[in-house]
Amino acid sequence: KAGVTQTPRYLIKTRGQQVTLSCSPISGHRSVSWYQQTPGQGLQFLFEYFSETQRNKGNFPGRFSGRQFSNSRSEMNVSTLELGDSALYLCASSWGGGANYEQYFGPGTRLTVT
Amino acid sequence: AQKVTQAQTEISVVEKEDVTLDCVYETRDTTYYLFWYKQPPSGELVFLIRRNSFDEQNEISGRYSWNFQKSTSSFNFTITASQVVDSAVYFCALSEARGTGFQKLVFGTGTRLLVSP
Repeated sequence: KAGVTQTPRYLIKTRGQQVTLSCSPISGHRSVSWYQQTPGQGLQFLFEYFSETQRNKGNFPGRFSGRQFSNSRSEMNVSTLELGDSALYLCASSWGGGANYEQYFGPGTRLTVT
Repeated sequence: AQKVTQAQTEISVVEKEDVTLDCVYETRDTTYYLFWYKQPPSGELVFLIRRNSFDEQNEISGRYSWNFQKSTSSFNFTITASQVVDSAVYFCALSEARGTGFQKLVFGTGTRLLVSP
């Protein structure tokens, strides 16, 4: 079974631009979550989607948004990029949407904002 | 509020040594789940184990073992006879069942393990 895939793997953007990151979950998985990883803040939860609905959101500004499609693929968007948005963005999928299900992570997209 | 503390920032050992990574958690919920993940230099988080709050049995998987103690709110991870391939950052994480009960992992800050030959 193929794992979680994320595209692109690396991205360089300029302040003020916007960016869209893509995540394809493991086949059959219905829940997709996004996390931001930075040296200063560590791993932080962004949001979670299940059956195209955002069910949980972390403490991030409205510039961070996402969506999930009917095939469970997900995208996250960051508008008006700031230098502090430079991070590794990790997508995770799980079969079920409950707190007990283990999440499987993709390789991440490394975003650099200059 | 939920919180996970990994007090060890970095541990260095020589191959074949045993090493224990500490994890202390805080939660008000009676039903919760604890996880360990490994992050090698490639960046991808690799799932290692899940434990629910009602199961305090220790678990062993090959060279890996986990000790869950609710009395001390700890979920420690031991690698026996460490190998160079064990070098990575290890994260402990907590997920609560109350509230929305949905997927949200709260991670510790991670422990970087360096195993030298």
